[in-house]
This record gives sequence, C-alpha cells and structure tokens, in this order.
Amino acid sequence: GAVVSQHPSWVICKSGTSVKIECRSLDFQATTMFWYRQFPKQSLMLMATSNEGSKATYEQGVEKDKFLINHASLTLSTLTVTSAHPEDSSFYICSARDPGRLAAEQYFGPGTRLTVT
Amino acid sequence: SQQGEEDPQALSIQEGENATMNCSYKTSINNLQWYRQNSGRGLVHLILIRSNEREKHSGRLRVTLDTSKKSSSLLITASRAADTASYFCATQAGTGGSEKLVFGKGTKLTVNP
Repeated sequence: GAVVSQHPSWVICKSGTSVKIECRSLDFQATTMFWYRQFPKQSLMLMATSNEGSKATYEQGVEKDKFLINHASLTLSTLTVTSAHPEDSSFYICSARDPGRLAAEQYFGPGTRLTVT
Repeated sequence: SQQGEEDPQALSIQEGENATMNCSYKTSINNLQWYRQNSGRGLVHLILIRSNEREKHSGRLRVTLDTSKKSSSLLITASRAADTASYFCATQAGTGGSEKLVFGKGTKLTVNP
C-alpha cells in the first residue's frame, strides 16, 4: 500500500514551452502533497506544499507564477513548469502522506527528470 | 532551508562491513527520518525516530538520536552490494500531518562486492 506515482518519468522540452507533471496517490487519499526538486548529486529542496482544494504554499525563493501547482482531487496534484528554461532542468519529485496511517512518514513518487533544451 | 547535514558525504566499504552515517540538525524537531535513494529514483522511507526516542532498530538498520547534540546516526550492519545508494536524513518539526520534511545533503554509500 501507500504508492505514489508520477507521470511522465522523463520529459524533454524546448525552451519557452510548458510542461505538466502529475503526481498521484494510488491507494490512499492525500489532502497534502509536496513537490521537491533535486539537482544532480544534491539533496531535495522543497518547492511547495500542495493542498487539496486550496492554494499551494510555496517556499521562499520559488516563483509561484512559474511553477503552477494544482491539487484538484484527493489523489492528484500537478506541477506545471511554465516557460521552461534550461536552468529548470532538474529531477522533480513529489511525496504524500497517508492520513490513514499514524506514522508521519511520507511516500515518494519515482521522480520526473525534466530536460529543457 | 536545509537543516540536516550528513557526514560523511561519501562512504565506500566492502560487503559485510558496517556502514555508519551521521546527521546533524539545528532546530527542535518532532521526529527524524532516514530515507534511501537509488540513483535517479524516488526516495524510500527507512525508519522514523521520534524526539522522545533514543534508539530504534529495523532489520539491519539501527538509528540513534541525541536531541541534546541535535544529531542522529544510521548504522547498516553486514552491508550488501544492494545497499549501494544515497541516504538522507530528514527532520520534521511539527506534529501535524501536513508538516514538511527538511532534508540533509545526503551520504552516498558504495558497497563493493
């Protein structure tokens, strides 16, 4: 149980275009999901907290107009990278906590590798 | 901002040996968690230790927490080549279900067969 999926697993896009990444909780409902980005050989940096039915909470320094987050249902959150540039190339990972479990652990998706050319 | 700092940044050992990774943090926490990441993959939760706990075991994993020193260690005993991965500690400050995790920089472990 507690499986989180992401789609696509990798994407290559041209500079200036937008890319949408989906994060789904497959066997539980997640009122809160988290979006991270990870540069090569570095740690995960939290970008934003996605709240079902309300606006996302962005971390300091993350442009909300560039990284659009929509959490329209209890099992789906999307991250749209708008007007992508090569510096947006990174590994994007989402996570969610299963509120049906007592533990505070989060379940992570497999990640999406974005390459902007 | 990142809170956890892992040490060492990289560790290379032989199969069968024990691997110890350390993590330090700066502020008060509710719990500390260890995650594993295989290259280019998502993270897998390994173990969680609460602030009122000092030691926890899970299989070949042993985690300690010293809140007075704001540090934790992860010990992997009898390591295997399949343990090769990056290991991250992450702290959680609040008790709410939506409380975010703050990750350290990670330790890259290589277990040589």
